[in-house]
Amino acid sequence: NAGVTQTPKFRVLKTGQSMTLLCAQDMNHEYMYWYRQDPGMGLRLIHYSVGEGTTAKGEVPDGYNVSRLKKQNFLLGLESAAPSQTSVYFCASSYFDSYEQYFGPGTRLTVT
Amino acid sequence: GESVGLHLPTLSVQEGDNSIINCAYSNSASDYFIWYKQESGKGPQFIIDIRSNMDKRQGQRVTVLLNKTVKHLSLQIAATQPGDSAVYFCAEAWNSGNTPLVFGKGTRLSVIA
Repeated sequence: NAGVTQTPKFRVLKTGQSMTLLCAQDMNHEYMYWYRQDPGMGLRLIHYSVGEGTTAKGEVPDGYNVSRLKKQNFLLGLESAAPSQTSVYFCASSYFDSYEQYFGPGTRLTVT
Repeated sequence: GESVGLHLPTLSVQEGDNSIINCAYSNSASDYFIWYKQESGKGPQFIIDIRSNMDKRQGQRVTVLLNKTVKHLSLQIAATQPGDSAVYFCAEAWNSGNTPLVFGKGTRLSVIA
């Protein structure tokens, strides 16, 4: 099993550009999450999903959108990137009755 | 909102010694706590968890202690090894509708050989 994979691993955007980060898991997990990690800030939840076709806002949702069209995929979109969105983005997944989350390797995004 | 904090941002330990990483939480309603390890350039990895109806839980070389009276959580690593060098995060949750985990800011553990 590949576990949780994230695409791409690195990306540089100019202010105002858009992009989509893809997260895929092959563990048949119901729940999926998107976090951002900034130096000294720990992990902050952006959006999450408790099942296919459902999404919910986390702690820092502004400027991001998500979609969960398939159970195994969770997409994070930035419609108009800003320098404040420079960060490392982590995707995670878990079973519906467990808080044990499995994390992907992360995507390092730089917005200039 | 409630948040999880840490007493020390960095910790240096001699190889072979025991490590203790501390975490303070402020939400008295939290009933689940979890520790993650994050090595450089990688995603966080589950270490151990504990529910609020327990005071102590042991894993392989790791022990988590929970003191609900003072809202304190600690992770003890026995016989610390170079491979234990990483950032350690505690996280909390309160099981009222499957609320998401809230992570602390992390403690960097450096093992001195």
